Amino acid sequence: AQSVSQHNHHVILSEAASLELGCNYSYGGTVNLFWYVQYPGQHLQLLLKYFSGDPLVKGIKGFEAEFIKSKFSFNLRKPSVQWSDTAEYFCAVNAGDKIIFGKGTRLHILP
Amino acid sequence: DGGITQSPKYLFRKEGQNVTLSCEQNLNHDAMYWYRQDPGQGLRLIYYSQIVNDFQKGDIAEGYSVSREKKESFPLTVTSAQKNPTAFYLCASSYSAGHYGYTFGSGTRLTVV
Repeated sequence: AQSVSQHNHHVILSEAASLELGCNYSYGGTVNLFWYVQYPGQHLQLLLKYFSGDPLVKGIKGFEAEFIKSKFSFNLRKPSVQWSDTAEYFCAVNAGDKIIFGKGTRLHILP
Repeated sequence: DGGITQSPKYLFRKEGQNVTLSCEQNLNHDAMYWYRQDPGQGLRLIYYSQIVNDFQKGDIAEGYSVSREKKESFPLTVTSAQKNPTAFYLCASSYSAGHYGYTFGSGTRLTVV
């Protein structure tokens, strides 16, 4: 069955710390991969996406993600987080004609 | 500005009543989707539609119904058969069956009282 697994449900970091959120997927076909972010009180918005080509993709607000096909992973990274990065982050994979989402990781940044 | 409009933002329903959530898009997207978001469970797909007058069940379709009479509109009805309807409902749309990602609406929070 198709699925997306996010390793951490809740992450707490101090400002300027480095961030890595893990994501693994299970799908046998060609994948398009996404990270979405939901800031408090706001709707979901696309952070970055991978379709093909360079497996290291850069998104908005200094985020990047690396697609490792052999590990079925698409981890999200940011070298130095800010308080404004406090949000919930969702990894997602386009599986056929729909997108499957992980359960989300709540990121809390301490000022 | 192009986007997705969900209404109402908050909705209260008495047990045993059906209620319809509105979703309208002016992005000329072919595909539209309804997800349910619950704390700690991520987004779960209820129904989706790739073309007018056609739709498919998602992972949790029981107790819900949809219609797609116009390209721009994809209303979701939460019926009395849905045992746990209190949740945050998100509508999304996309080109080409989600291959390039979704645009999301701002959501409707439904509470059963």
